[in-house]
Amino acid sequence: GQQLNQSPQSMFIQEGEDVSMNCTSSSIFNTWLWYKQDPGEGPVLLIALYKAGELTSNGRLTAQFGITRKDSFLNISASIPSDVGIYFCAGQRRGGADGLTFGKGTHLIIQP
Amino acid sequence: DTGVSQNPRHKITKRGQNVTFRCDPISEHNRLYWYRQTLGQGPEFLTYFQNEAQLEKSRLLSDRFSAERPKGSFSTLEIQRTEQGDSAMYLCASTSGVNTEAFFGQGTRLTVV
Repeated sequence: GQQLNQSPQSMFIQEGEDVSMNCTSSSIFNTWLWYKQDPGEGPVLLIALYKAGELTSNGRLTAQFGITRKDSFLNISASIPSDVGIYFCAGQRRGGADGLTFGKGTHLIIQP
Repeated sequence: DTGVSQNPRHKITKRGQNVTFRCDPISEHNRLYWYRQTLGQGPEFLTYFQNEAQLEKSRLLSDRFSAERPKGSFSTLEIQRTEQGDSAMYLCASTSGVNTEAFFGQGTRLTVV
């Protein structure tokens, strides 16, 4: 099935550094969502975006819904060890009957 | 805990056996989705229910797969004559309406040996 283009695939950073990841699509989405998934667990919702151009924060996390509705990015400031995990972007089309389309994930690894 | 609940968390089965998974969505959510996730990939959509009606099925959902949501509350996903390629994490998510946040359960990890 179709998946979004998410990059980078993995990141190795030092604790305290800022992190940036993004997601692009060839088609338009009406909603963008960012999830974090720990091994053996389901994805946990971090941020939801509903409007083109929208910039939303959740603590140290900031995400933006691209103006073209074909992309989104997620920033994490001042990373801490518990930020380790796999981050997924997901897009939803109008109506939502075909569910969410996910990226392949960004694996974040933090070195203390 | 009022989140999405999935059972069992893990299932190991022999090839050719049938398996059934259960999902209990957040109680006020009328929309329920099933996804499959393989290693190194994001979740992929399988099927969607609005209340008890199954309104959408992905091409990934072969004839061996069937899902039900008989009373518009919990849902079951059954896989008949399991194959090794069915090994994956099966995730359930629920939402309260169109273009709202989807909350996921912890998933059922299926291993077919």
